[in-house]
Amino acid sequence: NAGVTQTPKFQVLKTGQSMTLQCAQDMNHEYMSWYRQDPGMGLRLIHYSVGAGITDQGEVPNGYNVSRSTTEDFPLRLLSAAPSQTSVYFCASTPAGSGRVNTEAFFGQGTRLTVV
Amino acid sequence: AQSVTQLDSQVPVFEEAPVELRCNYSSSVSVYLFWYVQYPNQGLQLLLKYLSGSTLVESINGFEAEFNKSQTSFHLRKPSVHISDTAEYFCAVKDSGYSTLTFGKGTMLLVSP
Repeated sequence: NAGVTQTPKFQVLKTGQSMTLQCAQDMNHEYMSWYRQDPGMGLRLIHYSVGAGITDQGEVPNGYNVSRSTTEDFPLRLLSAAPSQTSVYFCASTPAGSGRVNTEAFFGQGTRLTVV
Repeated sequence: AQSVTQLDSQVPVFEEAPVELRCNYSSSVSVYLFWYVQYPNQGLQLLLKYLSGSTLVESINGFEAEFNKSQTSFHLRKPSVHISDTAEYFCAVKDSGYSTLTFGKGTMLLVSP
C-alpha cells in the first residue's frame, strides 16, 4: 500500500493564481483532513471530511475549498493564492469503524507551497 | 473545545542524556492522546498513543509517555537519547466526539554529541 500520497511535493505560485493540491489514500479510510504547518504554529486544521460527499471547515478555512467525490481523493483548492498561504500542507486519513474515535491519523509527506 | 500546550519550543540535550518533552491538554470530555514525530523534510509519524487502560505507554524506540488525568498532562520521556532522535515532536488530542486531531505547536528536540 502507498498510504497517503500528496502531489506536488513543491510548488511556487504567483499571488492571485489558483491551484489544486492533490491527496489520495489507498487504505479505504473514511476520514480525511488537510492541515497547514507554519513555524511556531504547529499544525492547524483547514478542512476535513467524514466521508464521500461530506466536508466541513476546520480552524483556518478561509481561502481554501475542498470536495470529496470519492473515498480515495480529497483535493484542496486555493482559489486566489496569497503570500499568507505560504506553508507546508499535510493531508491525513483516519480509519472509521467501531474503533474510529481512538485511531491515529496517517499523514502524507507534505506539499511545500510558496506564494510570491 | 480541545487544546494542547507544549511548554517548550526547543529542548537541547546531549547524547545519552535523559529528556522530557512536556504536553498539557484541555478538554471537557474523555480524550485520546498522541505523540507524533517529524524528521526534517518529512511527514508526521505516530510515535505512541494513549487510548485507555494503562496510563504508561511505550514506543518501540525507547520513548514513553504517561497519561495523568488529574494534571491533564501527557509528557514524553526517554532515558537516553541518540543523535537520531533529533526531530520535532508534536502532541495531539482527540475528543471522543471528533474525527480530527488538535495539535500543539511542537517541540524541537536537538541532540548534540
